[in-house]
Amino acid sequence: AQKVTQAQTEISVVEKEDVTLDCVYETRDTTYYLFWYKQPPSGELVFLIRRNSFDEQNEISGRYSWNFQKSTSSFNFTITASQVVDSAVYFCALFNGNNRLAFGKGNQVVVIP
Amino acid sequence: NAGVTQTPKFRVLKTGQSMTLLCAQDMNHEYMYWYRQDPGMGLRLIHYSVGEGTTAKGEVPDGYNVSRLKKQNFLLGLESAAPSQTSVYFCASSRLAGANEQYFGPGTRLTVT
Repeated sequence: AQKVTQAQTEISVVEKEDVTLDCVYETRDTTYYLFWYKQPPSGELVFLIRRNSFDEQNEISGRYSWNFQKSTSSFNFTITASQVVDSAVYFCALFNGNNRLAFGKGNQVVVIP
Repeated sequence: NAGVTQTPKFRVLKTGQSMTLLCAQDMNHEYMYWYRQDPGMGLRLIHYSVGEGTTAKGEVPDGYNVSRLKKQNFLLGLESAAPSQTSVYFCASSRLAGANEQYFGPGTRLTVT
């Protein structure tokens, strides 16, 4: 069975601080894909990144960066120099080929101005 | 390009009533999905479709039915609504299987009293 764990329910940071969201996954498959989605207060989920299991390179996109480590089954997400617009719920998700995307329970990030 | 649209945005039902949620996408995507989001639970897959005329059960299908008569539309039906179906419902679509990015609609907030 596939499972995604996002342990931190709500994280509050002061603007300009960095925040890291942990994502730990479980799967028995060797081929799988990991995702991060952002759900701002407006409600619609927005795709941020996809990573396949064969590509362990870290990725940076502006103030966002992702650290994928197969050895610890983790795909962590860091927001550098947080801004109020980063306030949202962030979901990590896992796909392993059964047509189902398994979502974690999400991290509520609150950026305090 | 509207992307994924959902109607209605809000609805209040009484226990036992029926209703249909409509999802439409204009991206010519093959795959479509219905999720429900409950507080602290993340998103859970209700039903999905891998192409026009096909449907399949997801993680929490009981109490729901779906139809995909046209490629661009995916309907979610509640035949006899129950308070446990109070939730926010999201539709999503993807070009191919779940390994591809899913595009989400804005959601439908349903309350069953």
